[in-house]
Amino acid sequence: EAGVAQSPRYKIIEKRQSVAFWCNPISGHATLYWYQQILGQGPKLLIQFQNNGVVDDSQLPKDRFSAERLKGVDSTLKIQPAKLEDSAVYLCASSLVMGQYNEQFFGPGTRLTVL
Amino acid sequence: GQNIDQPTEMTATEGAIVQINCTYQTSGFNGLFWYQQHAGEAPTFLSYNVLDGLEEKGRFSSFLSRSKGYSYLLLKELQMKDSASYLCAVRPGEYGNKLVFGAGTILRVKS
Repeated sequence: EAGVAQSPRYKIIEKRQSVAFWCNPISGHATLYWYQQILGQGPKLLIQFQNNGVVDDSQLPKDRFSAERLKGVDSTLKIQPAKLEDSAVYLCASSLVMGQYNEQFFGPGTRLTVL
Repeated sequence: GQNIDQPTEMTATEGAIVQINCTYQTSGFNGLFWYQQHAGEAPTFLSYNVLDGLEEKGRFSSFLSRSKGYSYLLLKELQMKDSASYLCAVRPGEYGNKLVFGAGTILRVKS
């Protein structure tokens, strides 16, 4: 079974530029998550989708971050404009459905450096 | 608010046993997860506890006490490849499957 795919793996941009990340979840997984992991910290949930609907985006900085999951499969996360503090690894995860026991499978992440 | 505390770093010797503690204070509780994360890689699932007690899975065991807001991950017969960050995560029980992660414990295994 193929895992969660993400691209690009690395991205370096200057502040105020825009950037987009792509995620392809495990086939059949209805729930998709985007996490931000700053160096030395645990992952922090930015947004959660159930199929193509948003379940939780309470920690998404909506003035600069946006995400979509058209057709309930692939997802993109965009930052515009980027700030220095956005330097982090952006992890995408997926799970079969929401529920009591529901393991989340993580992709390899995109390491973003904002200069 | 949500607060999850873990030690920042631990060092142990190959072949030994190590216990990584996690304490949590969350708005609700609907399960606790342990993940392993090697440097530069994605977190991978290790264990899940929702009821009090010990869950054993090969060399790894995880314990939960809901009344104390406390969990630990026990690693036996340590191997060099166990050097990694260990993340404790709580599902607060709000709608959805949201996980709140601790900062992780970096475990260094020395020969």
